Amino acid sequence: ETGVTQTPRHLVMGMTNKKSLKCEQHLGHNAMYWYKQSAKKPLELMFVYNFKEQTENNSVPSRFSPECPNSSHLFLHLHTLQPEDSALYLCASSQGHRGGGDTQYFGPGTRLTVL
Amino acid sequence: ILNVEQSPQSLHVQEGDSTNFTCSFPSSNFYALHWYRWETAKSPEALFVMTLNGDEKKKGRISATLNTKEGYSYLYIKGSQPEDSATYLCAVNAGGTSYGKLTFGQGTILTVHP
Repeated sequence: ETGVTQTPRHLVMGMTNKKSLKCEQHLGHNAMYWYKQSAKKPLELMFVYNFKEQTENNSVPSRFSPECPNSSHLFLHLHTLQPEDSALYLCASSQGHRGGGDTQYFGPGTRLTVL
Repeated sequence: ILNVEQSPQSLHVQEGDSTNFTCSFPSSNFYALHWYRWETAKSPEALFVMTLNGDEKKKGRISATLNTKEGYSYLYIKGSQPEDSATYLCAVNAGGTSYGKLTFGQGTILTVHP
């Protein structure tokens, strides 16, 4: 596998379920990101991890819980979500040396539907 | 809050036409600007990263310019082809403590008709 992969690609869950999204990068990068795209809205940054340390939490509700066990893997744990959390969740990675000047490489996303 | 605006929202052109669109951002709050191309059902693909005023970047038929003093960037596509149809996103990083934090615009949806 090359680039950034995300699983699952589609997920339907009830409001009381607990599920996790997985992201894996095969680029040797040190920074990883979670983004959310809701209908008719721009891509919105949720979390940033740099060298496994969380450096940004963009005021995300606690029902979204990220985990970065190593530089290649990033998880987003979901629990007691609301229907308005239905969106496309994208993962990205970058080298992690130039901050805002780093090119970010995106995965294909997970389409989440909360019933 | 960093506000990134893209215009137009959507654009329809004929094959062979050249086209351009705009990304605007606050000039006082800038470190880097990124352009991405996002085709339906695929991952966003990086086109350019620009940091310096007056920067010009080119990749095949696509080029971009940056004016940090007035807070805008233009993306140009020369001789559009149907495979150029995609959403073009611009994103800005404000530098400082906003490590890696990109603020995206709404995107410009380009449709190139054969």
